[in-house]
Amino acid sequence: GESVGLHLPTLSVQEGDNSIINCAYSNSASDYFIWYKQESGKGPQFIIDIRSNMDKRQGQRVTVLLNKTVKHLSLQIAATQPGDSAVYFCAENTGGYQKVTFGTGTKLQVIP
Amino acid sequence: NAGVTQTPKFQVLKTGQSMTLQCAQDMNHEYMSWYRQDPGMGLRLIHYSVGAGITDQGEVPNGYNVSRSTTEDFPLRLLSAAPSQTSVYFCASSYYKGRGTKRETQYFGPGTRLLVL
Repeated sequence: GESVGLHLPTLSVQEGDNSIINCAYSNSASDYFIWYKQESGKGPQFIIDIRSNMDKRQGQRVTVLLNKTVKHLSLQIAATQPGDSAVYFCAENTGGYQKVTFGTGTKLQVIP
Repeated sequence: NAGVTQTPKFQVLKTGQSMTLQCAQDMNHEYMSWYRQDPGMGLRLIHYSVGAGITDQGEVPNGYNVSRSTTEDFPLRLLSAAPSQTSVYFCASSYYKGRGTKRETQYFGPGTRLLVL
């Protein structure tokens, strides 16, 4: 079946460096993608989204890249800070508010 | 705004007991949903609602009931708890502008951690 997955379960990054979290999706019908951040003991928090008619979208210190050719999504965090330590989920939406598939998450550890 | 609130934060149940997980939002969002989060798995949709009086099943609805009598509240009921329902439950809400319209960001509550013995 179609699914959303992540290449790396854990990513360790030195404070101040840039982080890149990857996500592969397999549903070619997906047209909306979201990245969430989940800190320990808290609910997921929206970071950034991108629609399939775009290749790149930038936010504050974060950039999402979408490569539809290879069905790949990435989240780039610039100048990673200790407060960025969390689990990051990607999610894809295939249409309709209820048709969202979440990935299993990547844990980002920031080394001071 | 308080955003999305959930109660209780933690709950321990015995098999067969019933309980209601509460969820409320003060953002006047039409769309609300319940997810469960299990280790090694992504969030899975249990039930959702696109407005007061309207509910529908998600991916894993068995063993759960919902109702939506007001825009603000969306309780999740476990009729007869089972150990397989041990999980972390998240409620979420967003604006809903109708079929085919732009999908809006979902805002999640802090979660309810449920242990069924």
